[in-house]
Amino acid sequence: GQQLNQSPQSMFIQEGEDVSMNCTSSSIFNTWLWYKQDPGEGPVLLIALYKAGELTSNGRLTAQFGITRKDSFLNISASIPSDVGIYFCAGQLFGANSKLTFGKGITLSVRP
Amino acid sequence: DTAVSQTPKYLVTQMGNDKSIKCEQNLGHDTMYWYKQDSKKFLKIMFSYNNKELIINETVPNRFSPKSPDKAHLNLHINSLELGDSAVYFCASRASGSTDTQYFGPGTRLTVL
Repeated sequence: GQQLNQSPQSMFIQEGEDVSMNCTSSSIFNTWLWYKQDPGEGPVLLIALYKAGELTSNGRLTAQFGITRKDSFLNISASIPSDVGIYFCAGQLFGANSKLTFGKGITLSVRP
Repeated sequence: DTAVSQTPKYLVTQMGNDKSIKCEQNLGHDTMYWYKQDSKKFLKIMFSYNNKELIINETVPNRFSPKSPDKAHLNLHINSLELGDSAVYFCASRASGSTDTQYFGPGTRLTVL
């Protein structure tokens, strides 16, 4: 089945730094999504990407849908302590029966 | 004005028991899902219902039985609970359009002793 690869498992950065996360797939997706999960909560959608090559921003977050449709990256600029959490990429194909395939997530820690 | 809600938030039970988790969404979405998140935080889809009809069943043991009484509700019943069922279970919902994205509930942490 399809798998999404996210690495490393954990990242540690200093407050104010930028950080970039990659997600790669063995097969193509029509939609790429980035979610953030805070402790004790469900994943919350950060950015959705619908076209190959698309670059989308949401505040300090920027994400891109790779040209090959097999990868995506998320960039967080000027990190703050509340950016701490688990960041999941997810891929989705079109159709009513489509499902999300998630990466294993990257746990981000931000040192004040 | 909670969009996707789940009850209970925490569930602690003995092996062999039967338990249910409830999910409700007030977004008017047509499709609802159940996911399981294991101790390593890996999120895996279990079931999906579209307009009360089962459309995805990801080789989940038949001890797990989802039930959708109406479009806004998707409950998960688990029979004969096992230790390995301990996890966080998330409900999610989505509208029907191809570009519509999923919204997750807060999760139910199930602990089987």
